[in-house]
Amino acid sequence: EPEVTQTPSHQVTQMGQEVILRCVPISNHLYFYWYRQILGQKVEFLVSFYNNEISEKSEIFDDQFSVERPDGSNFTLKIRSTKLEDSAMYFCAGPGPGTREQFFGPGTRLTVL
Amino acid sequence: GQNIDQPTEMTATEGAIVQINCTYQTSGFNGLFWYQQHAGEAPTFLSYNVLDGLEEKGRFSSFLSRSKGYSYLLLKELQMKDSASYLCAVRRGGSQGNLIFGKGTKLSVKP
Repeated sequence: EPEVTQTPSHQVTQMGQEVILRCVPISNHLYFYWYRQILGQKVEFLVSFYNNEISEKSEIFDDQFSVERPDGSNFTLKIRSTKLEDSAMYFCAGPGPGTREQFFGPGTRLTVL
Repeated sequence: GQNIDQPTEMTATEGAIVQINCTYQTSGFNGLFWYQQHAGEAPTFLSYNVLDGLEEKGRFSSFLSRSKGYSYLLLKELQMKDSASYLCAVRRGGSQGNLIFGKGTKLSVKP
């Protein structure tokens, strides 16, 4: 299975603070995705990013969220002012090389206190 | 709207066969995915169906009927390590569209 890496593995923050989650997807692919999973709930789509632009976003992805590709390889998900309900696992996903599957990174566990 | 249904929990015996069903009603369809997820871990890709029929991969098989909005995941020769949640997901848009997930089926394999 192609490798997607994410950092940090766990982030603890205070409500109202900004957090940046990082992802390094499969090389040479233009698509990547962010999903989140609140504890005990289903995986939910946040945003997809294609060729340095947002291609689709869900209702969850409001103005407090943003995605960037700051250096051509890493992708970031920024939450500007975290809320308690942002506590969740955040997964980055990307297609395999030349395939239609989506492979998930190990995730970042975000805890907002 | 989008609706993906699968049983909440199932129990099976080591060495047996189990079938996990998934029904979906979505606006658009471009493939159905099955993932395995152990507690506290990321979903791991198991299978992908876009055409009707059965896809077999080792102990795991997945079936799709697009006309019925139905899929199942078949696990053979169950092992204790197969205890996990199994997630059904539908891709609605193009070949690189995002996935809509069901709530998952928690499978417990007992000796």
